[in-house]
Amino acid sequence: LAKTTQPISMDSYEGQEVNITCSHNNIATNDYITWYQQFPSQGPRFIIQGYKTKVTNEVASLFIPADRKSSTLSLPRVSLSDTAVYYCLVVPTDDKIIFGKGTRLHILP
Amino acid sequence: DTGVSQDPRHKITKRGQNVTFRCDPISEHNRLYWYRQTLGQGPEFLTYFQNEAQLEKSRLLSDRFSAERPKGSFSTLEIQRTEQGDSAMYLCASSLGPQNTGELFFGEGSRLTVL
Repeated sequence: LAKTTQPISMDSYEGQEVNITCSHNNIATNDYITWYQQFPSQGPRFIIQGYKTKVTNEVASLFIPADRKSSTLSLPRVSLSDTAVYYCLVVPTDDKIIFGKGTRLHILP
Repeated sequence: DTGVSQDPRHKITKRGQNVTFRCDPISEHNRLYWYRQTLGQGPEFLTYFQNEAQLEKSRLLSDRFSAERPKGSFSTLEIQRTEQGDSAMYLCASSLGPQNTGELFFGEGSRLTVL
C-alpha cells in the first residue's frame, strides 16, 4: 500500500486560497488519489478524487502531475468553516483503505 | 436513505466488560469498514467486509475484537474484556463495491469510554 506524507498543520486566512500538498512516491498504477475532510466529533467526509491531471468540483480542485507521485488539494477562498483535518489517501481498487494523520488546517479571521 | 448509522453514539463501560457496536450501512453498499480513532490521530483501520465476507482484519487488533456482517447488511463490532486503551471513537463506513471505485460514507461514530 502506498504511504502518503502531508504537512501536519497549516494556517491561512479567510478569503485566501489554500493548497495542501501530499506526496505518495510509491503509488501503484491502479491507485486513485482521494481527499477527505473531518470536523471534530464527526466521521470523515469525501471531498474529491482523481487519477491524473486536474479534477474540480464545487468544493475543491485536485491537481495531479504526470508522474502521480504527489497531489495538491486546492481550496478556493476559504472561510472559518473550512477549519478541519484534511486527509490525503491513495486508494487501491481492491485492498483496504488506510488513513494517515492528515493536515490540520486552521483558518484565521 | 439517511446514510450510515451507528449505535450507540456513546458508551461508557467499566474495564473488563464486553461492548458491542452496530453499524447500518447505506442499503446498496457492498463494502463496509470499521476504523478506530483516538484524539489527534487519523482513523486506524480495523477490518473490512465485502458483503458478508470479512476480507481482512488488522494485525494490530487483538483477539478481543471481533466483527461480523451477517447477510451482508448491518455489521457488529464486539470488544470483549475492555481495557482503558480501547477508549476511542469507532467509525463505520460503507461504499458501493465490489471495488474501491467510489467514496466512503462514514457514520457519526460510536464513542467508547472505558473506566
